[in-house]
Amino acid sequence: EPEVTQTPSHQVTQMGQEVILRCVPISNHLYFYWYRQILGQKVEFLVSFYNNEISEKSEIFDDQFSVERPDGSNFTLKIRSTKLEDSAMYFCASSSQGAPTGELFFGEGSRLTVL
Amino acid sequence: DAKTTQPNSMESNEEEPVHLPCNHSTISGTDYIHWYRQLPSQGPEYVIHGLTSNVNNRMASLAIAEDRKSSTLILHRATLRDAAVYYCILRDVKRGEYGNKLVFGAGTILRVKS
Repeated sequence: EPEVTQTPSHQVTQMGQEVILRCVPISNHLYFYWYRQILGQKVEFLVSFYNNEISEKSEIFDDQFSVERPDGSNFTLKIRSTKLEDSAMYFCASSSQGAPTGELFFGEGSRLTVL
Repeated sequence: DAKTTQPNSMESNEEEPVHLPCNHSTISGTDYIHWYRQLPSQGPEYVIHGLTSNVNNRMASLAIAEDRKSSTLILHRATLRDAAVYYCILRDVKRGEYGNKLVFGAGTILRVKS
């Protein structure tokens, strides 16, 4: 069964460093998302991406965050200068259809620890 | 914020049916009702969705009230593997409050006893 894959599974970084989290969405999907979940808290939307551009972003997704689909298969989330509060599990998701019926397929997540 | 209300937690016995309720009294006519679940240490997983009619799939059934102000996710025979957080989410096609994203609330923690 096709799945969304994310790398790395766990990354530890120092505050202020740049981090890139990578995702390989399901191959025929058109809609891509990043979510995050701070330990013990809700799953929070960060950004959605469609047709090679951001379609929506949350307040969390400030200038320190960026997304890219560099080669038609990968979908990356970059955090330019990490803060302690960026420590979280980051989930990538993809969907073949948009709202309101599209089913999102989530990856297993990348755990980011900022020291 | 998600416009649904779910109990914080529920408990079930293994191999018994589980009915997970969700209230969405302000639902609009074009809102679809989606259910996702999140197993421990995993990403969310799609369970089922519906608009007006009851829906069945291999994982669960979704019963939607006639006035659509509430719905119930039914797991016909709970297993230990069904222990997870279950999220009831409204999703609309209009690019307004929901846009194209899913908005997760706190969900219901389902515990399954053996």
